Amino acid sequence: AQSVTQLGSHVSVSEGALVLLRCNYSSSVPPYLFWYVQYPNQGLQLLLKYTTGATLVKGINGFEAEFKKSETSFHLTKPSAHMSDAAEYFCAVSFGGATNKLIFGTGTLLAVQP
Amino acid sequence: EPEVTQTPSHQVTQMGQEVILRCVPISNHLYFYWYRQILGQKVEFLVSFYNNEISEKSEIFDDQFSVERPDGSNFTLKIRSTKLEDSAMYFCASGKYEQYFGPGTRLTVT
Repeated sequence: AQSVTQLGSHVSVSEGALVLLRCNYSSSVPPYLFWYVQYPNQGLQLLLKYTTGATLVKGINGFEAEFKKSETSFHLTKPSAHMSDAAEYFCAVSFGGATNKLIFGTGTLLAVQP
Repeated sequence: EPEVTQTPSHQVTQMGQEVILRCVPISNHLYFYWYRQILGQKVEFLVSFYNNEISEKSEIFDDQFSVERPDGSNFTLKIRSTKLEDSAMYFCASGKYEQYFGPGTRLTVT
């Protein structure tokens, strides 16, 4: 069965520190991969996506993620955390086909300490 | 910038009542979705809709749920007889390879 695992439901970093949010997927076919961010009481905003091509993808707000097929991973990073990055981050996969439905991980709540 | 909109932002209803959640997808999109997020849990797929019909639905999407595109702009989710466990945030999304989400409707069933 296809699934997404996000290690660490809560991650806390200091302002200016590296942000690393982990995402692994389980699938027998290569998926499309996404990171979404959810600020309190708001909807989901697409941060970045991987479909094909270059495995290092850059998104909004200085985030990037690298697709590593051998590790079935798509970890999200940002070199220097900002207070405004505090939010919940969801990794998601889809497999194209007729529906492109998204399968989400359980989310990681990022706290940024001053 | 085009965006997905949803109304109402918050709906409170009594158990057993029917509710209709409304969405206006991005205008040139052809694929539409409903997802839900129970408080503190992950976002779950409910249904996808393309070419005026359901293309896939999850096991959550039982006979109490239906979707409709009544005109060229709206996309609705109806819950016929709400249960307490239907309380959740419901998100509409549109797009094919990139899905854009609306701000959600918080449904509270009492």
